[in-house]
Amino acid sequence: RKEVEQDPGPFNVPEGATVAFNCTYSNSASQSFFWYRQDCRKEPKLLMSVYSSGNEDGRFTAQLNRASQYISLLIRDSKLSDSATYLCVVTRSWIIFGKGTRLHILP
Amino acid sequence: NAGVTQTPKFQVLKTGQSMTLQCAQDMNHEYMSWYRQDPGMGLRLIHYSVGAGITDQGEVPNGYNVSRSTTEDFPLRLLSAAPSQTSVYFCASSYSRGQGGYTFGSGTRLTVV
Repeated sequence: RKEVEQDPGPFNVPEGATVAFNCTYSNSASQSFFWYRQDCRKEPKLLMSVYSSGNEDGRFTAQLNRASQYISLLIRDSKLSDSATYLCVVTRSWIIFGKGTRLHILP
Repeated sequence: NAGVTQTPKFQVLKTGQSMTLQCAQDMNHEYMSWYRQDPGMGLRLIHYSVGAGITDQGEVPNGYNVSRSTTEDFPLRLLSAAPSQTSVYFCASSYSRGQGGYTFGSGTRLTVV
């Protein structure tokens, strides 16, 4: 089993819709969790941290479920500019990247 | 602007040639790393450094060397380029290895023919 697993997509979603991604991790000793965003042919950039209590940044909500070992990202009122690949990231004493989920927002 | 600077942005090499990819950061980060990204493979760690004078191997180190003589610089050397090293290379830095707020450079697109 891969340490961090994501549905590769692509998710094709109409503009304005709500979209959710999940990510599962295999090691219960994982300490910190993040979502990164990577635009086509660009470098990954930190989108947001993920906490057990859930956290929100504008239209983006991230949630961590330690018992089930999954992380989620919810995007509300999606925009064309949200089209990107979203990388799930887990850390222990090192950082582990998922392979990413591709999102296409359709006009 | 503060951040991670990678050069060159694009490079074409012939098989057997050597070259150095440059990476510099001005955020006083102790941790620096090199990744390669290939379609369907995600980001794979090549080498990393937890401070000046300290380097270690990642997941895919063969064919690459690194050194860390200063906190700011972390060059990646390709010893004898092979077509399998055709990839996009990213340098990243952070305050520590396990801290998730990595800052990435803009990448180097390398083609080996």
